[in-house]
Amino acid sequence: NAGVTQTPKFQVLKTGQSMTLQCAQDMNHEYMSWYRQDPGMGLRLIHYSVGAGITDQGEVPNGYNVSRSTTEDFPLRLLSAAPSQTSVYFCASSYSTGIQETQYFGPGTRLLVL
Amino acid sequence: LAKTTQPISMDSYEGQEVNITCSHNNIATNDYITWYQQFPSQGPRFIIQGYKTKVTNEVASLFIPADRKSSTLSLPRVSLSDTAVYYCLTPPRYSGGGADGLTFGKGTHLIIQP
Repeated sequence: NAGVTQTPKFQVLKTGQSMTLQCAQDMNHEYMSWYRQDPGMGLRLIHYSVGAGITDQGEVPNGYNVSRSTTEDFPLRLLSAAPSQTSVYFCASSYSTGIQETQYFGPGTRLLVL
Repeated sequence: LAKTTQPISMDSYEGQEVNITCSHNNIATNDYITWYQQFPSQGPRFIIQGYKTKVTNEVASLFIPADRKSSTLSLPRVSLSDTAVYYCLTPPRYSGGGADGLTFGKGTHLIIQP
């Protein structure tokens, strides 16, 4: 199993450009999430999904869109990049029983917005 | 309201045992506690999970008292490579408009010195 994969590993954008960060998992997990992590900060939840076709907002959703057309894929779209979106982005998938959950993270995408 | 509380940072020395305590006063009756470790430039990774008393694996031990309002991650004989951020989580509650508890916060930054 590859686990959780993310592409690209690094991206530079200009203000106003759009792009999609890709995330895929091969563990058949129902739950997937996107986080951003800024220097010295913890992970902040952007969007999450509890299954194909179901997404919801997290703590910092503004400026980002997601969709979940398949169990495996959960892309994150930046509609019009801003310097404030410079960050490291982590995708995670998880197995949950409701009382017990374990998240598996991808290697991250480093995004620089100029 | 944060579901868990843990120290922001801790220092120790190689060869010592390190204990990191997490408070989760409002943990639900059947919820498990999960700890993650994050190295710089990497996503968090699962290290241990438990429900009560003591759990041990090849990486760490987890102690949970009878009232389950706290848990202690124990790292035996730490080395420089144990320098990382450690997060304590209880299972999130997924509902429309958010995922209560699916936030890692800042964790505990453990620094191991020679």
